[in-house]
Amino acid sequence: DIVMTQSPDSLAVSLGERATLNCKSSQSVLHSSNNKPYLAWYQQKPGQPPKLLIYWASIRESGVPDRFSGSGSGTDFTLTVSSLQAEDEAVYYCQQYHTPPLTFGGGTKVEIK
Amino acid sequence: EVQLVESGGDLVQPGGSLRLSCAASGLTVSSNYMSWVRQAPGKGLEWVSLIYSGGRTNYADSVRGRFTISRDTSKNTLHLQMNSLRADDTAVYYCARVLYGNWFDHWGHGTLVTVSS
Repeated sequence: DIVMTQSPDSLAVSLGERATLNCKSSQSVLHSSNNKPYLAWYQQKPGQPPKLLIYWASIRESGVPDRFSGSGSGTDFTLTVSSLQAEDEAVYYCQQYHTPPLTFGGGTKVEIK
Repeated sequence: EVQLVESGGDLVQPGGSLRLSCAASGLTVSSNYMSWVRQAPGKGLEWVSLIYSGGRTNYADSVRGRFTISRDTSKNTLHLQMNSLRADDTAVYYCARVLYGNWFDHWGHGTLVTVSS
């Protein structure tokens, strides 16, 4: 199975500041057939289901604010929140869909400082 | 608007069985890839099972042979039959639609399964 490792486990960021979340896969999730990174990001607030933010590592889902951006390739990926808002306080998960079984990272909890 | 509403979660003894349902609106279950994802209390997300539009199914190793995913076309509903339940199956079970490359774009609010004596 592909193991997804997220870091840090948690971080506290001031309102308006940048938050940088990392996700590392145990093997490349870049598919040779189309050269696309098979990586998605989700946001989960307490008591709510996860919400899709980004797929193909960098494509924002419709309706997701443009302060959220994804980057990376191969095995190392980053989710950046350019200017943290109060409503961005949540746990963020990465997920690989390159190879079954689909696997998630352990999550990064983002809090407001 | 897509809506997924799970039901069927309950307190069940170890070794028992439970059947979860996910009623869909705004999408046709049989025309989509659909999945179950679970989240143990205070823990992360774990993919459980997937059913492709053509009917092929796939399972996590932790549930293979005990859980069965299926769909009821007439009721536009997804099911998860869970047998031989164990304490480590305790979790909120989410129903989700799976898109293209296998990411999850729509989620239900989940149903809680507690396995305890």
